[in-house]
Amino acid sequence: QLQLQESGPGLVKPSETLSLTCTVSGGSISSSSYYWGWIRQPPGKGLEWIGSIYYSGSTYYNPSLKSRVTISVDTSKNQFSLKLSSVTAADTAVYYCARLMITFGGVIWAEWGQGTLVTVSS
Amino acid sequence: EIVMTQSPATLSVSPGERATLSCRASQSVSSNLAWYQQKPGQAPRLLIYGASTRATGIPARFSGSGSGTEFTLTISSLQSEDFAVYYCQQYNNWPGTFGQGTKLEIK
Repeated sequence: QLQLQESGPGLVKPSETLSLTCTVSGGSISSSSYYWGWIRQPPGKGLEWIGSIYYSGSTYYNPSLKSRVTISVDTSKNQFSLKLSSVTAADTAVYYCARLMITFGGVIWAEWGQGTLVTVSS
Repeated sequence: EIVMTQSPATLSVSPGERATLSCRASQSVSSNLAWYQQKPGQAPRLLIYGASTRATGIPARFSGSGSGTEFTLTISSLQSEDFAVYYCQQYNNWPGTFGQGTKLEIK
């Protein structure tokens, strides 16, 4: 059974870089059938796509965050990572990693990690 | 960007009754529409994709319909565990956009 687990600091200071890692177990991150992605949810609000990556390293970012986001993959560790630079309080959210299933029509957020709350505060 | 609009924002229904949730896209997304359920403190869970295909392990009381710009999620007989927030998501245009959610609460 696939499991995804986010890890990283729960508190980040303003202007610093938020760094999270998603460890995948029960499946290979190198599968050609899936993308891997990050979504966030500010407290009490809806879902915002951050970005996605293919095992080959091809990345796709939300245009509104693109200048601050880097997503990378480490196939040897079965992990992928998120870096978000120059954070502000507006970046406080629960951050989820997920496996995206490739379908004929597009990609679906099929399996999710449990999420990790990241608070931006001094 | 395709905008997804869900209605109503909150739906109050009694256990055992039927719930009907709506989702509208600002332009056609064909049948490339998914529904997710999110319970408090939990990650969203995929319920439906392809507008009407249930994901693995999803009970038959959940059904989806629609195509183009108008979609519906129906829960035929509400169980206590079904009270949650439901999101629709179009994936016709990369990367896909989510609606703002419908909160299904106990009446």
